[in-house]
Amino acid sequence: DQQVKQNSPSLSVQEGRISILNCDYTNSMFDYFLWYKKYPAEGPTFLISISSIKDKNEDGRFTVFLNKSAKHLSLHIVPSQPGDSAVYFCAASARSNTGKLIFGQGTTLQVKP
Amino acid sequence: DVKVTQSSRYLVKRTGEKVFLECVQDMDHENMFWYRQDPGLGLRLIYFSYDVKMKEKGDIPEGYSVSREKKERFSLILESASTNQTSMYLCASSSWTEGTEAFFGQGTRLTVV
Repeated sequence: DQQVKQNSPSLSVQEGRISILNCDYTNSMFDYFLWYKKYPAEGPTFLISISSIKDKNEDGRFTVFLNKSAKHLSLHIVPSQPGDSAVYFCAASARSNTGKLIFGQGTTLQVKP
Repeated sequence: DVKVTQSSRYLVKRTGEKVFLECVQDMDHENMFWYRQDPGLGLRLIYFSYDVKMKEKGDIPEGYSVSREKKERFSLILESASTNQTSMYLCASSSWTEGTEAFFGQGTRLTVV
């Protein structure tokens, strides 16, 4: 039972354009959501998060949107840069529970110069 | 600078061996996690610990056990290594504090032959 799903295994965009990565979840108890970026042979690094009391959080070129009724979140990267090419994972947690983090399958983003 | 350190970057073990993967964090975090990353499957939670000597099974605990005798150290044990446990293993830690994300180690690439 995959509680966090990233249905697009890969995404390719042109440098300077917008990248939109999507994530769906099934557990209505999740109240904290995060995005991580991972390069090969390295551990994931935290990118941006959002609490369920918000519907948008912005940090520089990165914006996360949360639609609780649809159980859907998305990460927007504007403008995309070649250095953004990596695997992106979304994760969810029910912080009222134990804070256990559940990850999606990941989306490989390629930004072409 | 926060740090999660995994004892090995690369390991090669034989089928049937008992394997220990060690993880140490220096942030005084309550929570520690072990994940494995496989292509197309994302990060799957093996075990989670929310306090010393406390543990909770993740999605794929079969064939693994864990030990947390001290707050800063979380060990993953493969009781009898098998070839299907060849994977990238990632340790992470986090705090109960609102808004605190999980920090990851650099990963251990384990090959079982």
